[in-house]
Amino acid sequence: DADVTQTPRNRITKTGKRIMLECSQTKGHDRMYWYRQDPGLGLRLIYYSFDVKDINKGEISDGYSVSRQAQAKFSLSLESAIPNQTALYFCATSDFNRELAGMYQETQYFGPGTRLLVL
Amino acid sequence: AQSVTQLGSHVSVSEGALVLLRCNYSSSVPPYLFWYVQYPNQGLQLLLKYTSAATLVKGINGFEAEFKKSETSFHLTKPSAHMRDAAEYFCAVSPGGYQKVTFGTGTKLQVIP
Repeated sequence: DADVTQTPRNRITKTGKRIMLECSQTKGHDRMYWYRQDPGLGLRLIYYSFDVKDINKGEISDGYSVSRQAQAKFSLSLESAIPNQTALYFCATSDFNRELAGMYQETQYFGPGTRLLVL
Repeated sequence: AQSVTQLGSHVSVSEGALVLLRCNYSSSVPPYLFWYVQYPNQGLQLLLKYTSAATLVKGINGFEAEFKKSETSFHLTKPSAHMRDAAEYFCAVSPGGYQKVTFGTGTKLQVIP
């Protein structure tokens, strides 16, 4: 079974609709992230969470919101979808080695992605 | 501020030939550098990362990258391309922490039989 799962894998919605993308992980990581990928633009960070009570905006958070329901679950919502939110969305988790906090010791694991089309 | 430039959005090599994917970065602090691979319809997978321990970094699937501070480069290489290497490759830079990572725009590698 995959360590990081995303549902749905594909979604078509209409402008103005509210939708939720879900992410679950079995890796036991505290840190979780949401990215979007657009052709020719690479990945851009939408939101990130270091634990259940710590949620932060990334570089492109406008039009999005998140919920960290549990350590294992991190959901991304589009309150009122618009066509330029059509993209491939990725959830990721990362570990963090507190014993080696003096050096950056962290590895990121990505889910398979959700392809979203907003008409 | 930090940025990453990947030279060439598409690279084609023959099976068995050398793979060279170029990445140049800019960073105001000593950077952490990453290469990710994305196979069709899959998420990103970490190939390797540079964290200042060694300038030559070996990753999975026979890939390696060399950090060259004087050239601000972190090019990805593999001596002999295999058909299964066909994918999109992303270079990324961070001053520390994935919340600060900046991704390049990606290079699609095509391997010709």
